[in-house]
Amino acid sequence: TQLLEQSPQFLSIQEGENLTVYCNSSSVFSSLQWYRQEPGEGPVLLVTVVTGGEVKKLKRLTFQFGDARKDSSLHITAAQPGDTGLYLCAGARNNAGNMLTFGGGTRLMVKP
Amino acid sequence: EPEVTQTPSHQVTQMGQEVILRCVPISNHLYFYWYRQILGQKVEFLVSFYNNEISEKSEIFDDQFSVERPDGSNFTLKIRSTKLEDSAMYFCASSEARSGRGYTFGSGTRLTVV
Repeated sequence: TQLLEQSPQFLSIQEGENLTVYCNSSSVFSSLQWYRQEPGEGPVLLVTVVTGGEVKKLKRLTFQFGDARKDSSLHITAAQPGDTGLYLCAGARNNAGNMLTFGGGTRLMVKP
Repeated sequence: EPEVTQTPSHQVTQMGQEVILRCVPISNHLYFYWYRQILGQKVEFLVSFYNNEISEKSEIFDDQFSVERPDGSNFTLKIRSTKLEDSAMYFCASSEARSGRGYTFGSGTRLTVV
């Protein structure tokens, strides 16, 4: 069974601070996706990283895929209250089913 | 922006009853999926569907579950005899390709079994 562990589970910070969320596994994934999920809604895809060592930026969000494709991180610079939400990582294997294995999520609260 | 549409948004059913959850994937997507999320737990994979057949399923997806693409637009999940533990948010998703490009989730159906 492939597992993705996210840390921290909860994070409460002040507006303007930086933060990093981690997603770790002992398994190799063909790609790693990051989602944001609002209460009562489905996950919304933020980014997909595919290549080991890949770095992608989305405004103040920086996503990195580990060299061995077993881990990933999400770094937010100068967090804003609008960044508050649940962030999920999900790994995909290169198989016929294309299923995603989700981490448990990091619940972020950014206080003004 | 293209969306995955799910209906109903909320369904309450009695234990033992059959339910059908409906989804309209994005029109040019080829892969379709069902996931579920029990309250407070991880999003879990149920099944993937491609070329009119199941391509992968999890151990959760037992004989009580079935999926169907009855026409060119709808993708349904049927639970034959619901149990209390089937209460969860059920998410439909679709993607363009095997690489997972364009993986898009619907807003979900909250199923409550009483």
